[in-house]
Amino acid sequence: GAGVSQSPSNKVTEKGKDVELRCDPISGHTALYWYRQRLGQGLEFLIYFQGNSAPDKSGLPSDRFSAERTGESVSTLTIQRTQQEDSAVYLCASSGGAGLNTQYFGPGTRLTVL
Amino acid sequence: EDQVTQSPEALRLQEGESSSLNCSYTVSGLRGLFWYRQDPGKGPEFLFTLYSAGEEKEKERLKATLTKKESFLHITAPKPEDSATYLCAVQAMNSNSGYALNFGKGTSLLVTP
Repeated sequence: GAGVSQSPSNKVTEKGKDVELRCDPISGHTALYWYRQRLGQGLEFLIYFQGNSAPDKSGLPSDRFSAERTGESVSTLTIQRTQQEDSAVYLCASSGGAGLNTQYFGPGTRLTVL
Repeated sequence: EDQVTQSPEALRLQEGESSSLNCSYTVSGLRGLFWYRQDPGKGPEFLFTLYSAGEEKEKERLKATLTKKESFLHITAPKPEDSATYLCAVQAMNSNSGYALNFGKGTSLLVTP
């Protein structure tokens, strides 16, 4: 009955380093989304996974960002060669399927790039 | 381009003082409009989904309404525990981003005793 979980809750890294952020969706949810929330900005869509279909990567801001998902379970968002502008809260959401199903969010990972 | 604009950016109310938050949107075809509540340091918490103009939904002191151009979140007799940021998001029929939500910047609500 657990909700969406994310780890770590906070990550501080140095400019140029790679980071990996993890998301565990609600069990049985086939759709998974990553969003980014920068200070003073609305949530920005990054990437969407639906079942075994090819992911929708249209929101990824650069080729330094990538994400993977194993089947309908855990997802990992990787940011290579981090920049200061990557500092943000990274939020993961899952839903029961595509379309109108409600997206339930995790608590987020706060990334700070020094 | 789809856009979601929320107003006001911040709102301060006294306990019991009712008010409304606005979410104006432009979208090529609306699949659904969503309201979330976000407390500091936490992820957004789902409140409502509205699908078509004229639809209304209620939960405790909150009531959400929808027209073809905007949605309102009415807060009746708010309490301090209603203090949070309220986020509005739309899901478009023909989005280039699949079923992703397009969010406004939110309204930060503070309810004082």
